[in-house]
Amino acid sequence: KQEVTQIPAALSVPEGENLVLNCSFTDSAIYNLQWFRQDPGKGLTSLLLIQSSQREQTSGRLNASLDKSSGRSTLYIAASQPGDSATYLCAVRKNAGNMLTFGGGTRLMVKP
Amino acid sequence: GAVVSQHPSRVICKSGTSVKIECRSLDFQATTMFWYRQFPKQSLMLMATSNEGSKATYEQGVEKDKFLINHASLTLSTLTVTSAHPEDSSFYICSALGTSSGANVLTFGAGSRLTVL
Repeated sequence: KQEVTQIPAALSVPEGENLVLNCSFTDSAIYNLQWFRQDPGKGLTSLLLIQSSQREQTSGRLNASLDKSSGRSTLYIAASQPGDSATYLCAVRKNAGNMLTFGGGTRLMVKP
Repeated sequence: GAVVSQHPSRVICKSGTSVKIECRSLDFQATTMFWYRQFPKQSLMLMATSNEGSKATYEQGVEKDKFLINHASLTLSTLTVTSAHPEDSSFYICSALGTSSGANVLTFGAGSRLTVL
């Protein structure tokens, strides 16, 4: 059974810092990996999706990498802003017809 | 494209009543829908997987008689929490898997917050 772990569980940084969120998964046979953002009491916003054949994806200040063989992904946030404060979830998908398995999330607080 | 609408976004009910949550794929056909539950400060846990026209597959520990799932059409799945109790208070999120413009899509609804008094 796939298990997804995110470290750290919570992170507080001053505005402007570059930071890295980590995600690991136990079964490397994945279809894709996705990073989401969730604001308190809200649904999920997809940030980046990395197919199993890809190594990284970038969107603005966000960069996600995938090392499938080692079961790891990182989400890099450059020049963090208070508006980045949210919970970040990574999730993996086993195959095209399968559901997502989520990690526990990292709660990020960026202080002005 | 590939929009999923979930309704209601918030619902408050008395203990013992039943609540229905709808998940609709607005512009694509969803062959499979997934229902997740999220308790405060915890991650999303899969409750069940439903395929159009067939019975839902429930995850271990999820009571199928309490959480009734119906996927009667390719655009609608419903989750009914029967005889709700305060411990059922949670955030419920659906996601729909299908094809939109020839691409395989997996899209989430905005979630429904259930509070049982």
